[in-house]
Amino acid sequence: DTAVSQTPKYLVTQMGNDKSIKCEQNLGHDTMYWYKQDSKKFLKIMFSYNNKELIINETVPNRFSPKSPDKAHLNLHINSLELGDSAVYFCASNQVGPNSPLHFGNGTRLTVT
Amino acid sequence: QQQVKQSPQSLIVQKGGISIINCAYENTAFDYFPWYQQFPGKGPALLIAIRPDVSEKKEGRFTISFNKSAKQFSLHIMDSQPGDSATYFCAASAGTGNQFYFGTGTSLTVIP
Repeated sequence: DTAVSQTPKYLVTQMGNDKSIKCEQNLGHDTMYWYKQDSKKFLKIMFSYNNKELIINETVPNRFSPKSPDKAHLNLHINSLELGDSAVYFCASNQVGPNSPLHFGNGTRLTVT
Repeated sequence: QQQVKQSPQSLIVQKGGISIINCAYENTAFDYFPWYQQFPGKGPALLIAIRPDVSEKKEGRFTISFNKSAKQFSLHIMDSQPGDSATYFCAASAGTGNQFYFGTGTSLTVIP
């Protein structure tokens, strides 16, 4: 009964390919996020959705496109993968409101060769 | 621009010692300060959090000290154990909490 689950855990692909990462949360939260963690462990927010609506869209190449079919799911599709996209991608969720911590999934390690 | 500055980048402590990680911020609108613990291959997990209306919060061996006037907060791990070896992140958010700003992380190693 994992609270925030991501698939796949590992993704190895070649430059130029298109890939997707899926995320689901069973916490009943109304907000979901995608974070990117680089090799130096820095966590950078990419997107945030609240009740299926995009509310945060940081400076991310438009090759990255999030999709939220419902408030329990937030998927990330990446077109034309580049070497620099190699990182660990974390999905997270919380309930909008004060003192509401993020709950993270266990990450998807993307390696682009 | 780094909204939350964290130090040190890495820390080695003997078992039983005290681990101290420091964070500083500039935005006075921040009103929620969580700390996250991340083990290899796992996502960050909430460890302890504080609001600026208190100066200290303790949960077991973990304590947050908060200095509102200096805009600084720190995590103290008492009686550090090898199982505490992980990466620790401080963070800050304001208002309804959609946008979290993370520190750059501290890699803690506790030597048996």
